[in-house]
Amino acid sequence: AQSVTQLDSHVSVSEGTPVLLRCNYSSSYSPSLFWYVQHPNKGLQLLLKYTSAATLVKGINGFEAEFKKSETSFHLTKPSAHMSDAAEYFCVGDGSQGNLIFGKGTKLSVKP
Amino acid sequence: EAQVTQNPRYLITVTGKKLTVTCSQNMNHEYMSWYRQDPGLGLRQIYYSMNVEVTDKGDVPEGYKVSRKEKRNFPLILESPSPNQTSLYFCASSLGLAGTSGGAGQETQYFGPGTRLLVL
Repeated sequence: AQSVTQLDSHVSVSEGTPVLLRCNYSSSYSPSLFWYVQHPNKGLQLLLKYTSAATLVKGINGFEAEFKKSETSFHLTKPSAHMSDAAEYFCVGDGSQGNLIFGKGTKLSVKP
Repeated sequence: EAQVTQNPRYLITVTGKKLTVTCSQNMNHEYMSWYRQDPGLGLRQIYYSMNVEVTDKGDVPEGYKVSRKEKRNFPLILESPSPNQTSLYFCASSLGLAGTSGGAGQETQYFGPGTRLLVL
């Protein structure tokens, strides 16, 4: 991917409601795309990845993402938010140099 | 346990005093990388290495050096730190390069716990 754009810097939901974190990419080739999560004062953990197999990717902790080539999107969703989901989420694409291109992150807040 | 370790985890230093942040992985990964994370900017790659003695600049290499003398270690060196290098630093490793594995998962990067650096 040449670029990755996370459309929201901050998303706030209530516990038990759905989560949608939006990500768009641009790429001249078939990209690999990832979602990473960073909990406060912790390192990054891989949630899920898309590498040209199934377009609907299931990850850990009930998260999933759908690769939509027509919309150049890879949005992250979860049917029901938990308090423990509060964290920062990064959409990531593979660069042409074998490196990773990070989005700027979306902070997810979960209200009781 | 498979992991990426970084040391130190926290460091306060003064302008111009050389420092090294170590990074080590025990997964026999070929690809290692350093990132810095700053509020509102996400993670930006500083340097990466595709194998022993093979290193290259990332997006923000100015003011940093790296070396890859052994496969498991990839230290980040700040020869003359400045306040604009105050940041949170992450080391990462993977078996292969992103996008090259054909779905084999080799490109999954494993991140260290981070090093928080303050340069006064």
